[in-house]
Amino acid sequence: GENVEQHPSTLSVQEGDSAVIKCTYSDSASNYFPWYKQELGKRPQLIIDIRSNVGEKKDQRIAVTLNKTAKHFSLHITETQPEDSAVYFCAASIRGSQGNLIFGKGTKLSVKP
Amino acid sequence: DAGVIQSPRHEVTEMGQEVTLRCKPISGHNSLFWYRQTMMRGLELLIYFNNNVPIDDSGMPEDRFSAKMPNASFSTLKIQPSEPRDSAVYFCASSQGDRRMDEQFFGPGTRLTVL
Repeated sequence: GENVEQHPSTLSVQEGDSAVIKCTYSDSASNYFPWYKQELGKRPQLIIDIRSNVGEKKDQRIAVTLNKTAKHFSLHITETQPEDSAVYFCAASIRGSQGNLIFGKGTKLSVKP
Repeated sequence: DAGVIQSPRHEVTEMGQEVTLRCKPISGHNSLFWYRQTMMRGLELLIYFNNNVPIDDSGMPEDRFSAKMPNASFSTLKIQPSEPRDSAVYFCASSQGDRRMDEQFFGPGTRLTVL
């Protein structure tokens, strides 16, 4: 079945450094790749997404890259701040479904001041 | 719009009791998803509906779990009888659910504790 692998499971960086989280997916028909941020005790919330017709998308300090040939996509956070500390989930759309996504296991990012 | 609404926000019950979780999706959204989140298993899809019809319930753990969506603005997830291992945060999410993939909006979740 469809699968999304996410690495690393935990990531610790110093404030101001960059953080990179990587995901691979198995379904070559996947065409939508969102990233969610979940703060402690809160709901997952979309921070950025990318569709299969583009290779990169940026929004201020965050960016996502997509390599369809290799079936992997990555989240890049630059100039990290303590408030970036959270669990980040990648996801990929499922062929033929009406909005269904398959999620990675999550990455716990800690930004140390 | 108020976003996805879930109730209750917290539920503490005893093993063997029936638990009903409720969700109101964003108006106009056609797809609704129920997830369970635990430290051990992460975020798991239990079931999802499109236009009030269950599309995929392969994630429902066992017959003790059931879900309904009687209309476009309301869904329930029921556990009967509940067990301690059902303790988790249950999220409901909704999306437009058309062929163009789009964001899933999550509700605040229901934290369930089964003693």
